[in-house]
Formats: sequence, structure tokens, C-alpha cells
Amino acid sequence: GQNIDQPTEMTATEGAIVQINCTYQTSGFNGLFWYQQHAGEAPTFLSYNVLDGLEEKGRFSSFLSRSKGYSYLLLKELQMKDSASYLCAVMDSNYQLIWGAGTKLIIKP
Amino acid sequence: ETGVTQTPRHLVMGMTNKKSLKCEQHLGHNAMYWYKQSAKKPLELMFVYSLEERVENNSVPSRFSPECPNSSHLFLHLHTLQPEDSALYLCASSQLSGGDGANVLTFGAGSRLTVL
Repeated sequence: GQNIDQPTEMTATEGAIVQINCTYQTSGFNGLFWYQQHAGEAPTFLSYNVLDGLEEKGRFSSFLSRSKGYSYLLLKELQMKDSASYLCAVMDSNYQLIWGAGTKLIIKP
Repeated sequence: ETGVTQTPRHLVMGMTNKKSLKCEQHLGHNAMYWYKQSAKKPLELMFVYSLEERVENNSVPSRFSPECPNSSHLFLHLHTLQPEDSALYLCASSQLSGGDGANVLTFGAGSRLTVL
């Protein structure tokens, strides 16, 4: 079966760096997405990786290793507003999105 | 209004009620989706409409009935639901290009459904 694994919850300190991991086992691969979802709000698109390597976008970076079935989202200079759930999703060979259960990130002052 | 708008934001219904969730997108996208989000579970895709035609129905019980009258509007009609159907129902839209590019979804804020 197809599976996406990510930690259920993480805690980090304001101003620090945190890395949220995502491992996947899917039938085929056509890209990996990260979305951010604040409590009670819509998930919003953060990043898309289809080739190996690091994509940087401001304080957020996303890394992909297709051979390892692994991605991470790196958040730098954490702010209180970064407290949210982070959803990892992989597009399989049929262009279907397979979702992880999300990682709830708690930022403490 | 911009983006994807869902109404109502909150809905409480009995198991014998009939209600509808509404979604409207103002982005000119050609595909719309219904997802179910339950606590600590992955998003579950329920229905996909592309160019107003249903292209996917992921074994969803018939008590959920979608309707897509045009490319901007999507409804989810609810009838004789069960308590386990209580969840956040998210609508999303995207622009399907037919190519290999990223299919980025734009989500609404969801309708929180409680079935008593």
C-alpha cells in the first residue's frame, strides 16, 4: 500500500530552527508538496519538489531525496505565527495525491 | 471575494436531516475537489470534478452527493449522515494543465460538520 509518515507533533523555540521529516512509500512519484494549515484555516501551499535537492523560499526550505523516499521541511528563525500543522503529500504515478496525517508544530517563546 | 469560499463554516445536524455544503472559487480554475479531514488522519479525497464532470468518486457512501453546476461552484449534499461523518470538509480547486507540472491546490477554510 501507499504510505506517508511524518511526526505527529513537534515543539520548538521562537528564533530557533526546526526540521519536519516526511518519508513516503508510493507507487511512482510525480512530486512532493508541503502545505501549512493554521488551526481553523485553509491549508496553504508552501513548496513543491520533483527533483532531488534543496529548494529555498525565504525562511522555509524543502529538501527531497527520491532514492531514499524522504523529504524535510526546514523552518528557520521561528516565529510564533509558524505554529501550525504541516502536511506532506506525494503525487503518485497516477497523479493522485497521497497525504500524510500532518505534523503539529508548537512554537514556545 | 477571492480564493475559495465555503459556507457554512459550522453545521450541526441530526442523522435524519438533509443539508448542503457550498463551495465557490474565484480563481478561474478548471477542477474542484471535496476532501474530508478528521483529527490526526490524512486528508481523504472524496470527489473530483474536472470541467464540471465528475472524474473521481473514492468509494464514498451515497449519503454524500456532490453537485457541480458550473466551474465555479461545488456542492456537497448530505442526507441521513452518521456520527462518524463528523469532520472538517474541505473544498479545493486547481488548474489542471494536462502536463507534468505541479497541481497546486487552493483550499477553502472548510465546513466543520457535527452529526448528532
